[in-house]
This record gives sequence, C-alpha cells and structure tokens, in this order.
Amino acid sequence: AQRVTQPEKLLSVFKGAPVELKCNYSYSGSPELFWYVQYSRQRLQLLLRHISRESIKGFTADLNKGETSFHLKKPFAQEEDSAMYYCALTGQGGSEKLVFGKGTKLTVNP
Amino acid sequence: DAMVIQNPRYQVTQFGKPVTLSCSQTLNHNVMYWYQQKSSQAPKLLFHYYDKDFNNEADTPDNFQSRRPNTSFCFLDIRSPGLGDAAMYLCATSGGWGQHFGDGTRLSIL
Repeated sequence: AQRVTQPEKLLSVFKGAPVELKCNYSYSGSPELFWYVQYSRQRLQLLLRHISRESIKGFTADLNKGETSFHLKKPFAQEEDSAMYYCALTGQGGSEKLVFGKGTKLTVNP
Repeated sequence: DAMVIQNPRYQVTQFGKPVTLSCSQTLNHNVMYWYQQKSSQAPKLLFHYYDKDFNNEADTPDNFQSRRPNTSFCFLDIRSPGLGDAAMYLCATSGGWGQHFGDGTRLSIL
C-alpha cells in the first residue's frame, strides 16, 4: 500500500533555528518523492523533488531508502518559511497520481 | 503567468443544485487531476485524466463527474452538492516532472 506519513501536524521554531520536517513513506517499488508547500492564501506549489537533488529557498531533502524517509531540512529558518508543507510520492515517471501526507504546519517565530 | 487557471475562485451553490467548476492549462500537459481539499487536510485525489482516459478513484462519490473536452480544459461537475462537499477543489496538471496546481475554487453550499 502506498502511504506517506508526516508525524508532526504542527512545528514551531524560532527564526534562525534549524528546522526538520519529517516524512516517511511506504511504497512497493521505487517511488518519486516530492515536497509541496502552501503559503497562506496561495496555491500549492512544488518545492523539491528527490530526483533533482536541488536546494530551493535553502531547503534540502535526502531520500533514505533504508529508512524510507524523505525529511525536509533547512539550517536557518526564516519567518517567510511559515507555511503548510506536504510530502508526497508517486510512481516513477512523474505522471501518476500523487499520494500526499497529511501535512505539517510550520510556524517560524521572530 | 498562471499556467493552471481555475474559475471561479469562489463558488456558492445551493444544496442539491448542480455546479460545475472549470480548469484550463497552458502547459499542454497530458495529465490533469482534480483534488478535494477540506480545511486542515491534505488534498484528496478525486480522479485524473491521462489524455482522454478517465481514471476514477475508488472512493470518489458518484455525485462527482468530470469532463475533458480537449487537452486544455477539464471540468468538475457535482450533480447534487451536499453540505459535506463544501471544500477547496484543486486542479493540477503533470507533464512528467511533478504536478502544477491552480489556485483552487472554494465551494460553499447554502
């Protein structure tokens, strides 16, 4: 069964502190993993995908197949990072349906 | 430049009165999706089109239908909306490298 688990519904940190949003997945095969972000009153948008191995807005995420995890990290959080973050997976090819986690609401306090 | 456009942004309908939500895309992607997102929840896939092939999720109520007359447009029809159908409806497209979302249509039921 395909499943994405984000154990933290809410996460609050202070500006400048490191932040890690956890994501674990269950998938029989080799999935593609994504992080999507939804800022207040804005559309859901792609933040990162594991195959690109890129850093966007200071965020990185490494796929750990042994632990079936895809945690999102940023060394120094900014207030503008406050948003809802969704981890998601799809089968390889990128055009199959996304399975979303329930999301983590990140609040970065001044 | 909006690439996935949803109209209207806000839709109010009466209990039981049919309503249609529309989505258009300028990306020429072959896959289009409709999601339902209720407050503080992850998007839930209702159905998707791969070109003209319609794929319904097993738990999508029969009350929800979709049409895709051409590559650019996709419609969500709710035949007899109930109070539980009040939600944000998201349209997304995919060309193989992650999904692109529209701003959504917020549906209210009176």
